[in-house]
Amino acid sequence: KNQVEQSPQSLIILEGKNCTLQCNYTVSPFSNLRWYKQDTGRGPVSLTIMTFSENTKSNGRYTATLDADTKQSSLHITASQLSDSASYICVVSEQGGATNKLIFGTGTLLAVQP
Amino acid sequence: NAGVTQTPKFRILKIGQSMTLQCTQDMNHNYMYWYRQDPGMGLKLIYYSVGAGITDKGEVPNGYNVSRSTTEDFPLRLELAAPSQTSVYFCASSDRLAENAGELFFGEGSRLTVL
Repeated sequence: KNQVEQSPQSLIILEGKNCTLQCNYTVSPFSNLRWYKQDTGRGPVSLTIMTFSENTKSNGRYTATLDADTKQSSLHITASQLSDSASYICVVSEQGGATNKLIFGTGTLLAVQP
Repeated sequence: NAGVTQTPKFRILKIGQSMTLQCTQDMNHNYMYWYRQDPGMGLKLIYYSVGAGITDKGEVPNGYNVSRSTTEDFPLRLELAAPSQTSVYFCASSDRLAENAGELFFGEGSRLTVL
């Protein structure tokens, strides 16, 4: 069964510190992997999209990595800010088929404290 | 640029009532989607559309219906609401297929409670 698993489920860090969130997937065949940020009570917002040929992509203080061989991805947040408090969702696209299917992880809830 | 707009933001329904969640996008995207998000679960696809007049079922379509008469609008209808339909509903749009790295733009969500 195609799955996306994220760890940790939740994380608390101090403002200014760095953190890394993990995503493991079993989706095959794989097309691309995305990271979304979802603020409480809001819709998800795209941070990065990586295809199987890309192994790193940055968006400001957010850097995503992808190892398609081990089926792992990470999202690194540098110099965290209070506004980084949100849920971070890893999403994997399955290649082929008519369902245009995206498989969503359950997210990592990040709290940045002053 | 409004992006994807959903209404209403909140709604309480009684069991057996019907209602329509509205979704409109102003980006001229062909692809539109309806997802539901339940606590502790990943988003699940209810229905999607690849263009005006074309819709198809996702993973969890039972109890819902959609239509796509224009490129901009993609309403989701709940018939005979049940407590299991209590959820947060998200509409999204994209200009390409997900497998072609089409970026999804989400609305702000509609929180529905069925009592």
